[in-house]
Amino acid sequence: AQSVSQHNHHVILSEAASLELGCNYSYGGTVNLFWYVQYPGQHLQLLLKYFSGDPLVKGIKGFEAEFIKSKFSFNLRKPSVQWSDTAEYFCAVNLISSGSARQLTFGSGTQLTVLP
Amino acid sequence: EAQVTQNPRYLITVTGKKLTVTCSQNMNHEYMSWYRQDPGLGLRQIYYSMNVEVTDKGDVPEGYKVSRKEKRNFPLILESPSPNQTSLYFCASSPFPTSGGPTDTQYFGPGTRLTVL
Repeated sequence: AQSVSQHNHHVILSEAASLELGCNYSYGGTVNLFWYVQYPGQHLQLLLKYFSGDPLVKGIKGFEAEFIKSKFSFNLRKPSVQWSDTAEYFCAVNLISSGSARQLTFGSGTQLTVLP
Repeated sequence: EAQVTQNPRYLITVTGKKLTVTCSQNMNHEYMSWYRQDPGLGLRQIYYSMNVEVTDKGDVPEGYKVSRKEKRNFPLILESPSPNQTSLYFCASSPFPTSGGPTDTQYFGPGTRLTVL
């Protein structure tokens, strides 16, 4: 079965620091990749997604992610975080070349706390 | 406004008392899904539906039922809730396959916090 790993469970940064959150998945087939964000008390919102093409994907609020197929990774980055980026971040993977192509598998999440 | 709605938002119940959490979307999406969110485990898919009368199990379907009689609604049914089903539940919807693949961007509801005593 496919799995998604987010190794950083809790990240604490000061404002203006750079951010990189790791995401690795376990399957070598064709994938769609997503990063979702959940602000405190709110539902999940899409930050960015990768389906094909340029492996460097830009999303909302200055976030970007790079798909590195050889490393099965899709790390999320932001050059300078703000206090308002405090939230939980989820990586998600959809395997589109398997029998469970219609399932979306989420990582366990990374809680980001940005100190003012 | 395009949205996914869930009701109730909060529910406290007792073991064995049947309950239904409703989910409705107004975007004419074919695909709908239920997830549960637990600390340290992220979101795990319970059931999903590709269209009316088409449903399938996700990763953690035990103890849950769903139905899809209408395109806009996808209720989650707990026939006999147990304390291990205490969780935060999210419903989501998305269009059917676009160029991106079977599960395009999903739109999530606000969540239902369920406590089973």
